[in-house]
Amino acid sequence: AQSVTQPDIHITVSEGASLELRCNYSYGATPYLFWYVQSPGQGLQLLLKYFSGDTLVQGIKGFEAEFKRSQSSFNLRKPSVHWSDAAEYFCAVGSWDSGGYQKVTFGTGTKLQVIP
Amino acid sequence: EAGVTQFPSHSVIEKGQTVTLRCDPISGHDNLYWYRRVMGKEIKFLLHFVKESKQDESGMPNNRFLAERTGGTYSTLKVQPAELEDSGVYFCASSQEGGWVFTEAFFGQGTRLTVV
Repeated sequence: AQSVTQPDIHITVSEGASLELRCNYSYGATPYLFWYVQSPGQGLQLLLKYFSGDTLVQGIKGFEAEFKRSQSSFNLRKPSVHWSDAAEYFCAVGSWDSGGYQKVTFGTGTKLQVIP
Repeated sequence: EAGVTQFPSHSVIEKGQTVTLRCDPISGHDNLYWYRRVMGKEIKFLLHFVKESKQDESGMPNNRFLAERTGGTYSTLKVQPAELEDSGVYFCASSQEGGWVFTEAFFGQGTRLTVV
């Protein structure tokens, strides 16, 4: 069964600083990988996803993530953080069930705090 | 276009009572998913509907949980009787036929259930 590990529960960065959120996955085949963000009072919003092709994926809001098969990682990055990026971030891995439908497993999330 | 809507946004009930959560997916989305997040833990899969049929209910914790999707439109998740460990945030998501990978799954804002 697939699983996702987000080792950092909480991260604090200064506004304007760079950001990297870590994600490691476990899955036997080629993974489908996602990053979602949840702002306070909101639902989860898709930032970006990877399922094939270029291992560096560009997303919305200036985020990018790099798939590294050798490290089983899919870390999320942003060169310069804005105060509005304060939120909780979830990494997820997708697989296919026996019926041919996709099933997505989420990590525990990383809460990002941005300080002035 | 309306997004995924969940009712209520917050519910506080006593142990042993019944609660029904509702999810209205985006119109035309055949796939409907329920997830739950217990505080500080990962977002865990509960079940997946394709139209009115349950494709995968492997994540349902026990038989106190009953999910329905009448006519392939909105879905309800009933907890009867509620226990303390049922507390958490219940998320609903919907997607078109292509699912998570080939389209996008959209999330509601969640229902925060507190059992006291």
